[in-house]
Amino acid sequence: TQLLEQSPQFLSIQEGENLTVYCNSSSVFSSLQWYRQEPGEGPVLLVTVVTGGEVKKLKRLTFQFGDARKDSSLHITAAQPGDTGLYLCAGLDSGGSNYKLTFGKGTLLTVNP
Amino acid sequence: EPEVTQTPSHQVTQMGQEVILRCVPISNHLYFYWYRQILGQKVEFLVSFYNNEISEKSEIFDDQFSVERPDGSNFTLKIRSTKLEDSAMYFCASSKGQALEAFFGQGTRLTVV
Repeated sequence: TQLLEQSPQFLSIQEGENLTVYCNSSSVFSSLQWYRQEPGEGPVLLVTVVTGGEVKKLKRLTFQFGDARKDSSLHITAAQPGDTGLYLCAGLDSGGSNYKLTFGKGTLLTVNP
Repeated sequence: EPEVTQTPSHQVTQMGQEVILRCVPISNHLYFYWYRQILGQKVEFLVSFYNNEISEKSEIFDDQFSVERPDGSNFTLKIRSTKLEDSAMYFCASSKGQALEAFFGQGTRLTVV
């Protein structure tokens, strides 16, 4: 069973600070997706990383896929209260089926004004 | 922007009753999925569906569950004889290809009493 561990589980920071959250696994994934989830709603896709070492930027968010495709990070620059939410990483199975995502438990980010 | 839509948003049912959760995937997508999220826990894969048949299912997806694409637009999850532990958010998702990004609906909150 593939597992994705996300850290930290909770993060509370002040507006304007930078932060990094991590997504780690002992398994290789063919791709990794980052989602943001608001309470009572579905996950909203932010980005997909596919190639080992890949870096993608989405405004103030920077996503990186590890060289070995086992881990990823999300860095937010100058966080804003609107960034508050649950950030989930989800890996697409590399060795077997391509049909399912394995999710981490998420990092709950609170950005205080 | 195209989106996955789910109905109802909230369903309350008595233990032992059957429920049908409905989803309309994005129109040009070919792969469909159901995931669930028990309160406070990870998003978990239930089943994937392609070409009118199940592609993969998890150990959670036992004989109590079934999926169907009754027409060209709807994708349904039926839960027979619901149990208290079936209470969860159920998310439908769809993707264009098997290894491509999955887009999630807003979810149906199922409460079994």
